[in-house]
Amino acid sequence: DGGITQSPKYLFRKEGQNVTLSCEQNLNHDAMYWYRQDPGQGLRLIYYSQIVNDFQKGDIAEGYSVSREKKESFPLTVTSAQKNPTAFYLCASSMMAGMNTEAFFGQGTRLTVV
Amino acid sequence: SQQGEEDPQALSIQEGENATMNCSYKTSINNLQWYRQNSGRGLVHLILIRSNEREKHSGRLRVTLDTSKKSSSLLITASRAADTASYFCATDLPSGANSKLTFGKGITLSVRP
Repeated sequence: DGGITQSPKYLFRKEGQNVTLSCEQNLNHDAMYWYRQDPGQGLRLIYYSQIVNDFQKGDIAEGYSVSREKKESFPLTVTSAQKNPTAFYLCASSMMAGMNTEAFFGQGTRLTVV
Repeated sequence: SQQGEEDPQALSIQEGENATMNCSYKTSINNLQWYRQNSGRGLVHLILIRSNEREKHSGRLRVTLDTSKKSSSLLITASRAADTASYFCATDLPSGANSKLTFGKGITLSVRP
């Protein structure tokens, strides 16, 4: 059963802690994305990757880091430098960026700072 | 900054009516896509229209693209209560190696039974 899986669904973080959100896909997609969604803000791009071992900053990369060591996996670390991390995080993948293909989304991780 | 801007921000209609949602964007694109999101869930792809296409249909969905005006519209015909969701337009930018998918703020559609 192919798809894109995010875990965990809910995550609570204490201030000053780093946390890592998981995103795995078995669709053999080259491109992967991380978005942040806040109420009334739509989706804002954090990082994206078109190929293994390469990634680019999106519009709001400060306070976040990523890695792309495997084609299937694109984990996102929310560092203590991110001032307002409470949000809904969405991971997506597509066959290849810029090639007129749709993106597939995971079900999201809701991160709350306590 | 966000590439796509949807209009209106919220739309409330009666079941059976048509719903029209608009999207404007700022720069040249490879394609424009529309997605749907149910509350608290991931986005689901609805339809993609390429920059050299003007109109596309999929079931009750009709999408138009006017590249001269940098705008698109999504029409949902004969709406149903189950169409209640948020709808987003997304643009795929032709920036070569850095091509990326950028979303607008979304439109909240409520369909009253």
